[in-house]
Amino acid sequence: ETGVTQTPRHLVMGMTNKKSLKCEQHLGHNAMYWYKQSAKKPLELMFVYSLEERVENNSVPSRFSPECPNSSHLFLHLHTLQPEDSALYLCASSQDNSGRELFFGEGSRLTVL
Amino acid sequence: EDQVTQSPEALRLQEGESSSLNCSYTVSGLRGLFWYRQDPGKGPEFLFTLYSAGEEKEKERLKATLTKKESFLHITAPKPEDSATYLCAVVLYGGSQGNLIFGKGTKLSVKP
Repeated sequence: ETGVTQTPRHLVMGMTNKKSLKCEQHLGHNAMYWYKQSAKKPLELMFVYSLEERVENNSVPSRFSPECPNSSHLFLHLHTLQPEDSALYLCASSQDNSGRELFFGEGSRLTVL
Repeated sequence: EDQVTQSPEALRLQEGESSSLNCSYTVSGLRGLFWYRQDPGKGPEFLFTLYSAGEEKEKERLKATLTKKESFLHITAPKPEDSATYLCAVVLYGGSQGNLIFGKGTKLSVKP
């Protein structure tokens, strides 16, 4: 098993759909993250969870809803997205959320029609 | 405002032609600096962490260095498989919960 696994790798959805992205980490880490990567922009932090508790929400629209049921799993629930939400969504984990190196998954490429 | 700037945006090298990528930062209270490699369609892969000015880390053909204002990623005798986008990120003392500030990256192409 690779360290951080994301599914699905590709997702196409309409603006009225509801879908979810899933992330699982096998590294025994205590912190998990969602990042958004758009073309020509730096990675943008969306959410941080530490020991299953959300500790950071960088003013993300409510159409993105995270869920962290345990320290190994992280979800991003998507609802009524906009075309500008099309991007690569990256999950990452780290030993803790004190600023240690992140380990990323392969990403979920989202296209909103 | 805390900022990370990477240059150049894109770099084309011939195989064996050594060069350096730059990451400059204007931040208050650097705690650590990270280098990542990202291949197309994949997530970033961790390369190095640097914590203090003067520190150096090496891995195969890559060497990362850190000063008080910038970091360099030196690539010695690159090969085509080194082609990727290289990302730099910093984490700050007192920064919000482990938030790394990323640069936009340098896209490196190495031609045989």
